[in-house]
Amino acid sequence: GAGVSQSPSNKVTEKGKDVELRCDPISGHTALYWYRQSLGQGLEFLIYFQGNSAPDKSGLPSDRFSAERTGGSVSTLTIQRTQQEDSAVYLCASSPGTSGGRGDTQYFGPGTRLTVL
Amino acid sequence: AQKITQTQPGMFVQEKEAVTLDCTYDTSDPSYGLFWYKQPSSGEMIFLIYQGSYDQQNATEGRYSLNFQKARKSANLVISASQLGDSAMYFCAMREKQTGANNLFFGTGTRLTVIP
Repeated sequence: GAGVSQSPSNKVTEKGKDVELRCDPISGHTALYWYRQSLGQGLEFLIYFQGNSAPDKSGLPSDRFSAERTGGSVSTLTIQRTQQEDSAVYLCASSPGTSGGRGDTQYFGPGTRLTVL
Repeated sequence: AQKITQTQPGMFVQEKEAVTLDCTYDTSDPSYGLFWYKQPSSGEMIFLIYQGSYDQQNATEGRYSLNFQKARKSANLVISASQLGDSAMYFCAMREKQTGANNLFFGTGTRLTVIP
């Protein structure tokens, strides 16, 4: 079946602009995660959605970052007033559930490379 | 303290040989899962293998096996019969089950280069 898809694959923006990154999880997966991968910080957790529960936003680095998940499927990560330090690869992952076992392995999309000039 | 430590920034292995990539972890949660992912130059994170903290046997998936030493808190990845396509970054990750957090904690990765 189809894997996790993300769009755009690359995004170049100017400092101060807002950007939206999209993630389409694997069909039937109830959990969706956003991570950020940058040279200086490695792989960092940003936010997590599980079904209709309130999202876990504990990893968001500032209030310029927000995310929503519509209809329990597609998710959009929004970064407002982008800064140069926001430049990174943004990875989305999904899992069937969250029991934490082998069956809830997180499967990743190809990522969106964001460059803030 | 780092939850996942990968001390080998880079490793080289001859094609067809075996290689071990090191991973140590730190948690007080008695229930956790350990994962290894491969990230080729294309950028996508590919799941390789999983080990649960209560699993009695070391996990194996084809040419990948996990050398799980719980008392030492290590979860080394062994790749047997290396192939040129194994050249990539490899990340060890952990998920703690009882804390309620569902995210993965990642190590800094090891870049493996397979030499023909």
